[in-house]
Amino acid sequence: DARVTQTPRHKVTEMGQEVTMRCQPILGHNTVFWYRQTMMQGLELLAYFRNRAPLDDSGMPKDRFSAEMPDATLATLKIQPSEPRDSAVYFCASGLLTGTGSYEQYFGPGTRLTVT
Amino acid sequence: AQSVAQPEDQVNVAEGNPLTVKCTYSVSGNPYLFWYVQYPNRGLQFLLKYITGDNLVKGSYGFEAEFNKSQTSFHLKKPSALVSDSALYFCAVRGNNNDMRFGAGTRLTVKP
Repeated sequence: DARVTQTPRHKVTEMGQEVTMRCQPILGHNTVFWYRQTMMQGLELLAYFRNRAPLDDSGMPKDRFSAEMPDATLATLKIQPSEPRDSAVYFCASGLLTGTGSYEQYFGPGTRLTVT
Repeated sequence: AQSVAQPEDQVNVAEGNPLTVKCTYSVSGNPYLFWYVQYPNRGLQFLLKYITGDNLVKGSYGFEAEFNKSQTSFHLKKPSALVSDSALYFCAVRGNNNDMRFGAGTRLTVKP
């Protein structure tokens, strides 16, 4: 049963520290997404990769956030320096985009980040 | 731009009664529409999608959704609600860049 995995599941850190979240998409999927979920803002798209190339990161605060795909099996989201307002659950999702343009996303379990 | 709206933040139903969670869409071209469910402390799970064909789409856990082009709606339905259906439900539409645009979510509570 293929699944998206995310590490760590929980992270508590102090303001100013670097945070790195990792995601392993489902093998063979060619799209990867990073979302942030909070009570106030709901589900926000942060970054979107297709075939490892970044297509859209307009939702990401670029002064402190960065997203990369070093290879097809790993996506990373980094926050440096972290701030209390970054506290949220961060989800990674992957999908297989075909010629029809029809695909569903498979979400990981999320990383719950708390910045104190 | 492609978008969806979920007009209800909260829906409450009694167990055994039919449930409807509403979604309306705004798209240019043919809509690709989706429903996802999120249980507490979990990621979103795909329920069903409409691409083309029959307006009534059947999905997981007994859910179905009706695509209505004239009303630009894609409401999620289930004939008989279970307490275990209580969760957060998201409607979504494929964006112009083949990304996914999610609604704000509707919290469904099914009471015994």
